[in-house]
Amino acid sequence: KAGVTQTPRYLIKTRGQQVTLSCSPISGHRSVSWYQQTPGQGLQFLFEYFSETQRNKGNFPGRFSGRQFSNSRSEMNVSTLELGDSALYLCASSLGYGETQYFGPGTRLLVL
Amino acid sequence: AQSVTQLGSHVSVSEGALVLLRCNYSSSVPPYLFWYVQYPNQGLQLLLKYTTGATLVKGINGFEAEFKKSETSFHLTKPSAHMSDAAEYFCAVSDKTSYDKVIFGPGTSLSVIP
Repeated sequence: KAGVTQTPRYLIKTRGQQVTLSCSPISGHRSVSWYQQTPGQGLQFLFEYFSETQRNKGNFPGRFSGRQFSNSRSEMNVSTLELGDSALYLCASSLGYGETQYFGPGTRLLVL
Repeated sequence: AQSVTQLGSHVSVSEGALVLLRCNYSSSVPPYLFWYVQYPNQGLQLLLKYTTGATLVKGINGFEAEFKKSETSFHLTKPSAHMSDAAEYFCAVSDKTSYDKVIFGPGTSLSVIP
């Protein structure tokens, strides 16, 4: 069974631009979570979707948004990029509540 | 709010020696507890998790952890370190009402000396 895939793997943007990252969960998984990883702040929870509904949200500004499609694929969008948004963005999927999360390899975003 | 602390941002052990990575959490109720490992340029892999039941949890690659409610700890151990264990290790918690909202500790980088 294929693992969690994230595209693109690497991305370079400039301040003020917006970016969309994509996550394809493991087949059959309905929950998708997003995390931001930076050297200074570590791993921080962004949001979690289950069956196209956002169930949990972390403490990030409204510039960070996400959505989930009927096939469980998820996208996250960051608008008006700032230098501090440079990070590794990780996606994780699971069958649902109480089940193990499986992580993708991440998308490394660099904002110049 | 829940939080996780990991004592020691960097730990070095000799190959064959005991690995002990410390984790303490703050939560008003016993949470779900996890240990993840991250190899360079890769995502996270679950080593083990505690939800309910037996407090000594066995995971993959010979790792185990013990949940101690009185000490609010969930330390990770492995009897004999292998070179392939060199990686970043993260302790994490979630609560029983929002299982998929996982709060991670700052991580401990493990080096294994031959």
